[in-house]
Amino acid sequence: SAVISQKPSRDICQRGTSLTIQCQVDSQVTMMFWYRQQPGQSLTLIATANQGSEATYESGFVIDKFPISRPNLTFSTLTVSNMSPEDSSIYLCSVLGLYTGELFFGEGSRLTVL
Amino acid sequence: GENVEQHPSTLSVQEGDSAVIKCTYSDSASNYFPWYKQELGKGPQLIIDIRSNVGEKKDQRIAVTLNKTAKHFSLHITETQPEDSAVYFCAASTGTASKLTFGTGTRLQVTL
Repeated sequence: SAVISQKPSRDICQRGTSLTIQCQVDSQVTMMFWYRQQPGQSLTLIATANQGSEATYESGFVIDKFPISRPNLTFSTLTVSNMSPEDSSIYLCSVLGLYTGELFFGEGSRLTVL
Repeated sequence: GENVEQHPSTLSVQEGDSAVIKCTYSDSASNYFPWYKQELGKGPQLIIDIRSNVGEKKDQRIAVTLNKTAKHFSLHITETQPEDSAVYFCAASTGTASKLTFGTGTRLQVTL
């Protein structure tokens, strides 16, 4: 299984600011994703992070609010822009196992917006 | 698109008893059904999965059953232990795990 490291693990931010979350995988993977888990809720896919090109966003999520980068096969960032209290969530990086096809998750970044 | 419903939302069992969590899905083309366990403060961890070409799969105390006709699948945990306490999510997709639709989660509490 892939080992996924996310930073920061948690943060408290002020309304109107932006925060960038980093995701590092210990091995090369084909697909990387970003999920959001609102308090007490299920997981919702934000976007697929594509290497060297623009991310593919799911319905309800836009690049201006959640810009994503993936400069290489093992690293990606998600920025939450112009934050509001509604953005308080756990943001999870996930990867598709190269050989097993299973989806693995990082520990998540817990964001609280005041 | 796919819609996955999960029941119950909370489940409390005594240690040693069995726990069953049920999910239904809407897209008859779905053929991959994983289950994830999420402990407090951690990311979800895959515990078992099943594909539509089998009806049941077991891994020690955990089993998953699939009824494609009725479009529902279930997680069975036998001989529950306190460390089984967590939130469990079911999910469904057509093909790979790259487009999973998750259920709403079940908070399982195993009491002594």
